[in-house]
Amino acid sequence: GAGVSQSPRYKVAKRGQDVALRCDPISGHVSLFWYQQALGQGPEFLTYFQNEAQLDKSGLPSDRFFAERPEGSVSTLKIQRTQQEDSAVYLCASSLEADVNTEAFFGQGTRLTVV
Amino acid sequence: AQTVTQSQPEMSVQEAETVTLSCTYDTSESDYYLFWYKQPPSRQMILVIRQEAYKQQNATENRFSVNFQKAAKSFSLKISDSQLGDAAMYFCAPGLKLTFGKGTLLTVNP
Repeated sequence: GAGVSQSPRYKVAKRGQDVALRCDPISGHVSLFWYQQALGQGPEFLTYFQNEAQLDKSGLPSDRFFAERPEGSVSTLKIQRTQQEDSAVYLCASSLEADVNTEAFFGQGTRLTVV
Repeated sequence: AQTVTQSQPEMSVQEAETVTLSCTYDTSESDYYLFWYKQPPSRQMILVIRQEAYKQQNATENRFSVNFQKAAKSFSLKISDSQLGDAAMYFCAPGLKLTFGKGTLLTVNP
């Protein structure tokens, strides 16, 4: 596709359930970012991949959050034992180069609601 | 660590007029880029303009321009000839790994 694609667009999970959020970056893009955006807030950085290597995961809020990009393209953000404070929009972005300062293209996000 | 302050939670402007959105930041990086992103209700973040910190010349992109004051760590966005389609949340993001501010909600009045 032409842009970054995220699925599902909406996810409702019961507290304690595990969820997996998918990101399909633009083909050929080296860098991939995940963000968490709470209602009325700016996106908060979660983690960054350069190809399949996870170079920075300093923003992951707890060990319940796990991200992978095994073949350097599609990425999955997994949240185990979801809690209500995990409710947010999860945004994925990709950029063409390894330099994190190049333009990042965003997907439309996955809105996660934990009930 | 990076911090970003957007001191204007909301701004409004009349169509065809000019508005300036402010942003200050703090970073320990010496070489970095700064970005303004726009997020309409559809949620998809769209790059508005990018500034390279080592360049003194302010970036311009059609109706959008920045006023970058590196020493003051200030990076404001000016929108000229505002259009209804400019209405959105605007986020400032300096440097590596895109730490975003809390955003400014821009309303454009017809």
